[in-house]
Amino acid sequence: EVQLVESGGGLVQPGGSLRLSCAASGFTFSSYGMSWVRQAPGKGLEWVSGISGSGGSTFYADSVKGRFTISRDNSKNTLYLQMNSLSAEDTAIYFCAKDLRFFIVWGQGTKVTVSS
Amino acid sequence: EIVMTQSPATLSVSPGKRATLSCRASQSVNNNLAWYQQKPGQAPRLLIYGASTRATGVPANFIGSGSGTEFTLTISSLQSEDFAVYYCQHYNNWPPITFGPGTKVDIK
Repeated sequence: EVQLVESGGGLVQPGGSLRLSCAASGFTFSSYGMSWVRQAPGKGLEWVSGISGSGGSTFYADSVKGRFTISRDNSKNTLYLQMNSLSAEDTAIYFCAKDLRFFIVWGQGTKVTVSS
Repeated sequence: EIVMTQSPATLSVSPGKRATLSCRASQSVNNNLAWYQQKPGQAPRLLIYGASTRATGVPANFIGSGSGTEFTLTISSLQSEDFAVYYCQHYNNWPPITFGPGTKVDIK
């Protein structure tokens, strides 16, 4: 069974940093691009970032470019999102998802709250 | 950036009836369009990709259609488990990938 499990969310102060992780299982992780999608409280879905299977290509939404870094460790079947310079507008549930274009499998999400 | 819009924002439908949801793109996305269903407290679930191809395990009463800028998701004979929020999403000439604001289908 394909499974994605996010972790690393929590409460962080404005200007702070957080690293999210997504542990993948049930498929050949290195063969698939992976993505992060977020959802602010009571709001819709927002694509955040994507990374190719090899990790050689990365993609970002303008809203996070320069502040967030997506990466992956194919030896650990794990996807990461390093988030720096966080603001209240980054408060959301962050989902990792399988694939780059449309998202076949989603994790359950990890909640990030940016507040003083 | 391609802007996705959805209508209506809320659709009230009686169980057993048909629901028709619309999605429009600000420019052509060809058939690079997906639909998702999201229930409260849950992650989204992929329903349709390629504008009309049902994802694995999606019942046949979910029908996607359209191309270019106008798309429709039809849910025939709504069941209790179909009441949810539905999002469309394009993946043409990305990044960025963008989602529509969603249509909430609730019980009439």
